[in-house]
Amino acid sequence: QVQLVQSGAEVKKPGSSVKVSCKASGGSFNNYAINWVRQAPGQGLEWMGGIIPIFGIADYAQKFQGRVTITADKSTTTAYMELSSLRSEDTAVYYCARGKEWEVHWGWFDPWGQGTLVTVSS
Amino acid sequence: EIVLTQSPGTLSLSPGERATLSCRASQSVSSSSLAWYQQKPGQAPRLLIYGASSRATGIPDRFSGSGSGTDFTLTITRLEPEDFAVYYCQQYGSSPETFGQGTKVEIK
Repeated sequence: QVQLVQSGAEVKKPGSSVKVSCKASGGSFNNYAINWVRQAPGQGLEWMGGIIPIFGIADYAQKFQGRVTITADKSTTTAYMELSSLRSEDTAVYYCARGKEWEVHWGWFDPWGQGTLVTVSS
Repeated sequence: EIVLTQSPGTLSLSPGERATLSCRASQSVSSSSLAWYQQKPGQAPRLLIYGASSRATGIPDRFSGSGSGTDFTLTITRLEPEDFAVYYCQQYGSSPETFGQGTKVEIK
């Protein structure tokens, strides 16, 4: 059974960048989508983008285009999400979640990582 | 993008009662590509239902999903104490994947 373990909480200044990792273990990594979803405090869930590690090509939600970069390292079965030009509204819990085999889209998300709190504050 | 509207916002029920949660889409969700998740405070969402009506591995049969097109329902037949949580629907038939705003099931 695949498990996703994310990196720890981060505190960042406005205008800086953050990179969150998501390590997969116990199952297939290369051919399943890894998606990133964020949740602002007290708010709902928002899809940011996803990647199929074996292809290395990511797709992003239009809202985050130009600010987010999702990558994957097949050798360490770890996916990364980097968000730049941070502002206070980016304060949220960021989750990785496994999606569909061979496709970034068209799949449900299961399982999820435990989440990483990113706080943006001056 | 497809907008999902969940109702009610909050459902106040007692253990043992039946819960009926609604998820309405702004346009038809292709191939019944709709999932339901449960989220408890401080935890990640957990997949309950996919394909509108298929239970995920390990999910008790008191949880059931139904619907197609633009109207979907999650039913919990008899609420257990551990079922009080927030529930989200998600459509994955159209990019970008979108989520509803959630329904909180609270103890009455």
